[in-house]
Amino acid sequence: KAGVTQTPRYLIKTRGQQVTLSCSPISGHRSVSWYQQTPGQGLQFLFEYFSETQRNKGNFPGRFSGRQFSNSRSEMNVSTLELGDSALYLCASSPRTGGDEQFFGPGTRLTVL
Amino acid sequence: GNSVTQMEGPVTLSEEAFLTINCTYTATGYPSLFWYVQYPGEGLQLLLKATKADDKGSNKGFEATYRKETTSFHLEKGSVQVSDSAVYFCALSDQGGKSGGSNYKLTFGKGTLLTVNP
Repeated sequence: KAGVTQTPRYLIKTRGQQVTLSCSPISGHRSVSWYQQTPGQGLQFLFEYFSETQRNKGNFPGRFSGRQFSNSRSEMNVSTLELGDSALYLCASSPRTGGDEQFFGPGTRLTVL
Repeated sequence: GNSVTQMEGPVTLSEEAFLTINCTYTATGYPSLFWYVQYPGEGLQLLLKATKADDKGSNKGFEATYRKETTSFHLEKGSVQVSDSAVYFCALSDQGGKSGGSNYKLTFGKGTLLTVNP
């Protein structure tokens, strides 16, 4: 079974731009969660989607948004990029919401110049 | 809110040395506890987990026991290898692992970089 895939793997943007990251979960998994990883703050939860509905949201500004499609693929969008948004964005999938085990993708490395 | 505290790294060991990475947590309810490992350039992989007090999770020679009385979940390995060099994250899940929870998420520690020298 293929693992979680994320595209693109690397991205360079400039301040003020917006960006969309994509995540394809493991086949059959309906829950997708997003995390931001930075050296200073570590791993922080962004949001979780299950059956196309946002089930939970972390403490991030409204510039960070996401959605999930009927095939469980998910996208996250960051508008009006700031230097501090430079990070590794990780997607994780699980068979169900509230599931104990989450399977992580390799991440998208976003650099904001 | 919930939180996880890990011993700060980096930790540098020689091959075949004993490893301990301390992890303590603060949580309401009965969370599940996890150790994840991140190799360079990769995402996180689940190393082991424990879902209730006194459970011992184990995998690839690593072990950790869920200690509710000390709110700890320390990671141990008796003999490390060079291939164990990675960043290790302790984490807990809200909702205690119950399915269908509407506020489920993982809370992570800061991570501990382990380097094992030959």
